Amino acid sequence: GQNIDQPTEMTATEGAIVQINCTYQTSGFNGLFWYQQHAGEAPTFLSYNVLDGLEEKGRFSSFLSRSKGYSYLLLKELQMKDSASYLCAPRGSYIPTFGRGTSLIVHP
Amino acid sequence: KAGVTQTPRYLIKTRGQQVTLSCSPISGHRSVSWYQQTPGQGLQFLFEYFSETQRNKGNFPGRFSGRQFSNSRSEMNVSTLELGDSALYLCASSPDSSNTEAFFGQGTRLTVV
Repeated sequence: GQNIDQPTEMTATEGAIVQINCTYQTSGFNGLFWYQQHAGEAPTFLSYNVLDGLEEKGRFSSFLSRSKGYSYLLLKELQMKDSASYLCAPRGSYIPTFGRGTSLIVHP
Repeated sequence: KAGVTQTPRYLIKTRGQQVTLSCSPISGHRSVSWYQQTPGQGLQFLFEYFSETQRNKGNFPGRFSGRQFSNSRSEMNVSTLELGDSALYLCASSPDSSNTEAFFGQGTRLTVV
């Protein structure tokens, strides 16, 4: 089975940096995804990590430690439009399993 | 290139009825996965189809079924609807079964009354 844990809600200030943590336990491991989902919209792909370390993509970076079953998503220079739910999704075999998501609220 | 298209966008059904939802993946994508999203449970995996074959199945009762056609379009069916089936049903497509990057449709919002 798979167990995913991430904070339910976080708040941050526009322009700041926020780190969203995710711990997981999976039967096997074949990469970890992060998705962003705005209210009422479909999830959109942010990042994919399969090896340990940090992957940087513009304002967003994602980190993975397979031995610790741990990942984080780092958002820099926060903008109001970053207010959304962030879903951590480790893949045990073929299919990613999604956590319940972290609702990020960015305020001025 | 058109994205993932799900129809209908909204649906209201009565308990005991059955419903069929449709998903057209991105052209050239052969893998289609279905998810149920509710506020309490988050995104839960239903099943995945690849080349008209069900490759993986989540932990849902047999009332939930699906199929994939030769053009990769997929349908999911829920029979004997229950109030708890009210949810957003999302379809995701990817080029192959490795599902490296899945593209989601806008979903079908099903309300069971």
